Amino acid sequence: QSALTQPASVSGSPGQSITITCTGTRSDVGSYNLVSWYQQHPGKAPKVMIYEVSKRPSGVSNRFSGSKSGNTATLTISGLQAEDEADYYCCSYAGSSEVFGTGTKVTFL
Amino acid sequence: QITLKESGPTLVKPTQTLTLTCTFSGFSLNTTGVGVGWIRQPPGKALEWLALIYWDDDERYSPSLKSRLTITKDTSKSQVVLTMTNVDPVDTATYYCAHRPPVADIFDSWGQGTLVTVSS
Repeated sequence: QSALTQPASVSGSPGQSITITCTGTRSDVGSYNLVSWYQQHPGKAPKVMIYEVSKRPSGVSNRFSGSKSGNTATLTISGLQAEDEADYYCCSYAGSSEVFGTGTKVTFL
Repeated sequence: QITLKESGPTLVKPTQTLTLTCTFSGFSLNTTGVGVGWIRQPPGKALEWLALIYWDDDERYSPSLKSRLTITKDTSKSQVVLTMTNVDPVDTATYYCAHRPPVADIFDSWGQGTLVTVSS
Protein backbone atom coordinates (compact mmCIF):
# COMPACT_ATOMS: atom_id res chain seq x y z
CA GLN A 1 0.00 0.00 0.00
CA SER A 2 1.77 3.14 -1.19
CA ALA A 3 1.13 6.72 -0.13
CA LEU A 4 -1.22 8.69 -2.34
CA THR A 5 0.65 11.07 -4.66
CA GLN A 6 0.39 14.83 -4.17
CA PRO A 7 2.43 17.68 -5.63
CA ALA A 8 5.15 18.75 -3.20
CA SER A 9 4.14 22.39 -3.36
CA VAL A 10 1.51 24.69 -4.80
CA SER A 11 1.72 28.46 -4.81
CA GLY A 12 -0.81 31.19 -5.34
CA SER A 13 -1.43 34.87 -4.81
CA PRO A 14 -3.84 36.16 -2.16
CA GLY A 15 -7.36 35.98 -3.50
CA GLN A 16 -6.54 33.42 -6.16
CA SER A 17 -7.79 29.86 -6.37
CA ILE A 18 -5.49 26.87 -6.20
CA THR A 19 -6.00 23.14 -6.63
CA ILE A 20 -4.19 20.24 -5.02
CA THR A 21 -4.43 16.81 -6.59
CA CYS A 22 -4.26 13.47 -4.84
CA THR A 23 -3.66 10.46 -7.06
CA GLY A 24 -4.24 6.95 -5.86
CA THR A 25 -5.26 3.66 -7.41
CA ARG A 26 -8.32 1.51 -8.01
CA SER A 27 -7.66 0.01 -4.58
CA ASP A 28 -8.20 3.26 -2.70
CA VAL A 29 -9.29 6.60 -4.19
CA GLY A 30 -10.80 4.99 -7.26
CA SER A 31 -13.00 2.55 -5.36
CA TYR A 32 -14.39 4.57 -2.47
CA ASN A 33 -15.94 7.99 -1.99
CA LEU A 34 -14.08 8.18 1.29
CA VAL A 35 -11.40 10.76 0.59
CA SER A 36 -10.68 13.38 3.22
CA TRP A 37 -8.35 16.36 3.35
CA TYR A 38 -6.37 17.67 6.32
CA GLN A 39 -4.69 21.01 6.89
CA GLN A 40 -1.61 21.16 9.11
CA HIS A 41 0.15 24.30 10.29
CA PRO A 42 3.77 24.02 11.51
CA GLY A 43 4.02 22.37 14.90
CA LYS A 44 0.28 21.72 15.07
CA ALA A 45 -1.94 18.67 14.76
CA PRO A 46 -3.83 18.23 11.49
CA LYS A 47 -7.38 19.53 11.06
CA VAL A 48 -9.95 17.91 8.78
CA MET A 49 -11.18 20.25 6.05
CA ILE A 50 -13.10 17.94 3.70
CA TYR A 51 -14.52 14.43 4.11
CA GLU A 52 -16.30 11.94 1.85
CA VAL A 53 -14.75 13.70 -1.17
CA SER A 54 -16.72 16.94 -0.95
CA LYS A 55 -18.36 17.41 2.45
CA ARG A 56 -17.24 20.18 4.78
CA PRO A 57 -17.26 19.72 8.56
CA SER A 58 -19.06 22.35 10.56
CA GLY A 59 -16.93 25.46 10.93
CA VAL A 60 -14.78 24.96 7.84
CA SER A 61 -14.87 27.83 5.36
CA ASN A 62 -16.81 27.30 2.13
CA ARG A 63 -13.66 28.45 0.33
CA PHE A 64 -12.56 24.83 0.62
CA SER A 65 -14.12 22.32 -1.74
CA GLY A 66 -13.36 18.81 -2.91
CA SER A 67 -14.05 16.59 -5.87
CA LYS A 68 -12.98 13.29 -7.39
CA SER A 69 -12.58 11.79 -10.81
CA GLY A 70 -11.39 8.25 -11.25
CA ASN A 71 -8.31 7.65 -9.14
CA THR A 72 -7.66 11.35 -8.49
CA ALA A 73 -9.19 13.56 -5.82
CA THR A 74 -8.83 17.33 -5.84
CA LEU A 75 -8.93 19.99 -3.14
CA THR A 76 -9.69 23.53 -4.27
CA ILE A 77 -9.05 26.56 -2.13
CA SER A 78 -10.68 29.69 -3.48
CA GLY A 79 -9.93 33.25 -2.40
CA LEU A 80 -6.55 32.24 -0.96
CA GLN A 81 -5.90 33.85 2.42
CA ALA A 82 -2.84 34.16 4.62
CA GLU A 83 -4.08 31.55 7.07
CA ASP A 84 -4.33 29.00 4.25
CA GLU A 85 -0.54 28.73 4.08
CA ALA A 86 -0.01 25.24 5.48
CA ASP A 87 0.61 21.63 4.56
CA TYR A 88 -2.31 19.67 3.15
CA TYR A 89 -2.75 15.91 3.18
CA CYS A 90 -5.34 13.76 1.49
CA CYS A 91 -6.43 10.47 3.01
CA SER A 92 -8.38 7.62 1.48
CA TYR A 93 -10.05 4.46 2.69
CA ALA A 94 -8.23 1.50 1.20
CA GLY A 95 -10.20 -1.56 2.17
CA SER A 96 -9.25 -2.66 5.65
CA SER A 97 -7.04 0.35 6.34
CA GLU A 98 -6.47 3.92 5.21
CA VAL A 99 -3.63 5.76 3.52
CA PHE A 100 -2.43 9.35 3.58
CA GLY A 101 -0.97 11.33 0.72
CA THR A 102 2.59 12.60 0.40
CA GLY A 103 1.55 16.10 1.41
CA THR A 104 1.48 19.49 -0.34
CA LYS A 105 2.88 22.73 0.98
CA VAL A 106 0.76 25.74 0.03
CA THR A 107 2.61 29.04 -0.12
CA PHE A 108 2.03 32.53 -1.40
CA LEU A 109 3.80 33.73 -4.50
CA GLN B 1 -15.29 18.79 24.47
CA ILE B 2 -13.11 15.97 23.17
CA THR B 3 -9.48 15.86 24.23
CA LEU B 4 -6.77 13.27 23.64
CA LYS B 5 -3.24 13.09 24.96
CA GLU B 6 -0.42 10.78 24.01
CA SER B 7 2.13 9.53 26.52
CA GLY B 8 5.12 7.25 26.42
CA PRO B 9 8.91 7.21 26.20
CA THR B 10 10.71 9.95 24.31
CA LEU B 11 13.74 7.76 23.59
CA VAL B 12 13.78 4.09 22.66
CA LYS B 13 16.69 1.89 21.62
CA PRO B 14 16.65 -0.04 18.33
CA THR B 15 15.05 -3.51 18.52
CA GLN B 16 13.09 -2.54 21.65
CA THR B 17 9.31 -2.44 21.92
CA LEU B 18 7.57 0.94 21.97
CA THR B 19 4.39 1.35 24.00
CA LEU B 20 2.30 4.49 23.61
CA THR B 21 -0.84 5.37 25.53
CA CYS B 22 -3.63 7.64 24.39
CA THR B 23 -5.76 8.96 27.26
CA PHE B 24 -8.95 10.65 26.17
CA SER B 25 -11.99 12.44 27.53
CA GLY B 26 -15.23 13.81 26.17
CA PHE B 27 -16.36 10.59 24.54
CA SER B 28 -16.67 6.88 25.25
CA LEU B 29 -15.30 3.94 23.34
CA ASN B 30 -18.52 2.16 24.26
CA THR B 31 -20.45 4.37 21.86
CA THR B 32 -21.47 2.72 18.60
CA GLY B 33 -19.30 3.77 15.69
CA VAL B 34 -16.61 5.53 17.70
CA GLY B 35 -12.94 4.71 17.22
CA VAL B 36 -9.45 5.89 18.14
CA GLY B 37 -6.59 5.82 15.67
CA TRP B 38 -2.84 6.34 15.64
CA ILE B 39 -0.99 8.36 13.02
CA ARG B 40 2.71 9.25 12.94
CA GLN B 41 4.84 11.87 11.24
CA PRO B 42 8.64 11.65 10.93
CA PRO B 43 10.35 15.03 11.28
CA GLY B 44 9.74 17.09 8.15
CA LYS B 45 7.84 14.28 6.45
CA ALA B 46 4.30 13.20 5.69
CA LEU B 47 1.61 11.72 7.89
CA GLU B 48 1.42 7.93 8.03
CA TRP B 49 -1.73 6.04 9.07
CA LEU B 50 -0.86 3.29 11.57
CA ALA B 51 -3.83 1.67 13.27
CA LEU B 52 -7.41 2.13 14.42
CA ILE B 53 -9.64 0.44 16.97
CA TYR B 54 -13.41 0.70 17.06
CA TRP B 55 -15.93 0.51 19.90
CA ASP B 56 -16.63 -3.12 19.01
CA ASP B 57 -12.93 -4.16 19.19
CA ASP B 58 -12.58 -4.15 15.41
CA GLU B 59 -8.87 -3.53 14.81
CA ARG B 60 -7.38 -2.12 11.62
CA TYR B 61 -3.68 -1.91 10.77
CA SER B 62 -1.46 -0.47 8.10
CA PRO B 63 -0.56 -3.45 5.91
CA SER B 64 3.12 -2.49 5.86
CA LEU B 65 3.35 -2.39 9.67
CA LYS B 66 0.73 -4.94 10.63
CA SER B 67 3.26 -7.53 11.84
CA ARG B 68 4.77 -5.05 14.33
CA LEU B 69 1.71 -3.26 15.68
CA THR B 70 -0.91 -4.07 18.27
CA ILE B 71 -3.71 -1.72 19.28
CA THR B 72 -5.83 -2.29 22.37
CA LYS B 73 -8.37 -0.37 24.38
CA ASP B 74 -9.27 -0.04 28.04
CA THR B 75 -12.70 1.53 28.06
CA SER B 76 -12.83 1.83 31.85
CA LYS B 77 -9.65 3.93 31.81
CA SER B 78 -10.54 5.83 28.60
CA GLN B 79 -7.25 4.71 27.08
CA VAL B 80 -6.00 3.20 23.86
CA VAL B 81 -2.54 1.62 23.73
CA LEU B 82 -0.37 1.14 20.65
CA THR B 83 2.53 -1.28 20.80
CA MET B 84 5.23 -1.38 18.16
CA THR B 85 7.85 -4.12 18.27
CA ASN B 86 11.43 -4.16 16.98
CA VAL B 87 11.74 -0.39 16.50
CA ASP B 88 14.31 1.11 14.17
CA PRO B 89 15.64 4.67 13.75
CA VAL B 90 13.21 5.10 10.83
CA ASP B 91 10.41 4.86 13.38
CA THR B 92 11.50 8.19 14.84
CA ALA B 93 8.43 10.39 14.56
CA THR B 94 5.74 12.38 16.29
CA TYR B 95 2.97 9.95 17.14
CA TYR B 96 -0.60 11.24 17.26
CA CYS B 97 -3.77 9.62 18.49
CA ALA B 98 -7.09 10.87 17.15
CA HIS B 99 -10.85 10.43 17.57
CA ARG B 100 -12.93 8.67 14.89
CA PRO B 101 -16.55 9.86 15.04
CA PRO B 102 -19.46 7.56 14.26
CA VAL B 103 -20.65 9.58 11.28
CA ALA B 104 -17.58 9.65 9.05
CA ASP B 105 -14.26 8.00 8.32
CA ILE B 106 -12.22 10.95 9.53
CA PHE B 107 -10.17 12.00 12.53
CA ASP B 108 -11.95 15.04 13.88
CA SER B 109 -10.02 15.59 17.09
CA TRP B 110 -6.31 14.99 17.58
CA GLY B 111 -3.89 14.86 20.46
CA GLN B 112 -0.92 17.21 20.56
CA GLY B 113 1.43 14.41 19.51
CA THR B 114 4.45 12.94 21.22
CA LEU B 115 7.92 12.81 19.67
CA VAL B 116 9.60 9.44 19.93
CA THR B 117 13.26 9.11 18.98
CA VAL B 118 14.76 5.72 18.22
CA SER B 119 18.49 5.77 18.82
CA SER B 120 21.16 3.75 20.56
